[in-house]
Amino acid sequence: GESVGLHLPTLSVQEGDNSIINCAYSNSASDYFIWYKQESGKGPQFIIDIRSNMDKRQGQRVTVLLNKTVKHLSLQIAATQPGDSAVYFCAETPLTGGGNKLTFGTGTQLKVEL
Amino acid sequence: DARVTQTPRHKVTEMGQEVTMRCQPILGHNTVFWYRQTMMQGLELLAYFRNRAPLDDSGMPKDRFSAEMPDATLATLKIQPSEPRDSAVYFCASGWGDSNQPQHFGDGTRLSIL
Repeated sequence: GESVGLHLPTLSVQEGDNSIINCAYSNSASDYFIWYKQESGKGPQFIIDIRSNMDKRQGQRVTVLLNKTVKHLSLQIAATQPGDSAVYFCAETPLTGGGNKLTFGTGTQLKVEL
Repeated sequence: DARVTQTPRHKVTEMGQEVTMRCQPILGHNTVFWYRQTMMQGLELLAYFRNRAPLDDSGMPKDRFSAEMPDATLATLKIQPSEPRDSAVYFCASGWGDSNQPQHFGDGTRLSIL
């Protein structure tokens, strides 16, 4: 029969525009959150992380926002470049008892159009 | 840059054969994770080790899968006997347990069971 895979949400942006990728998490005990980027044929690559005592953290061209009230995480990429095309995953873990055992979201495909 | 190394990168074999995948974690990391990624299920945690001791292997089919850490520089994941449904990309990641530092991933072993 026909195989059905996960339907990854896709975000298409023009080169130079800003990208916003969203993630909803369900475990209210999660206190540490990570964004990973996965390019074709490669493993997930760490981008940025944030702890629950913060609501915003900035890196180089990337910003992560955390809203614990609604259990929502977002990744903003400024001036999106073709090299940003990849699948982006959010991951979460509780501070205690998790032993940094992560739970991953299903991912979002980012496509950068020239 | 320190990185997680996985071998082989690709493996094609017939069902019933034993498959061994190897992982060299980042030197000094005390926690090693094995994940499986498929189109159907996304990224799933199979097992993880802390200081070479297995902490959780609840995600791993026990009848045919086994994971070990013979020493601090080598983690192995074995499948015996292999089945077509085991076809997937298997990732190893390493990190510092209990510190909420991000895990770092290798580039995976792409396994095809015919």
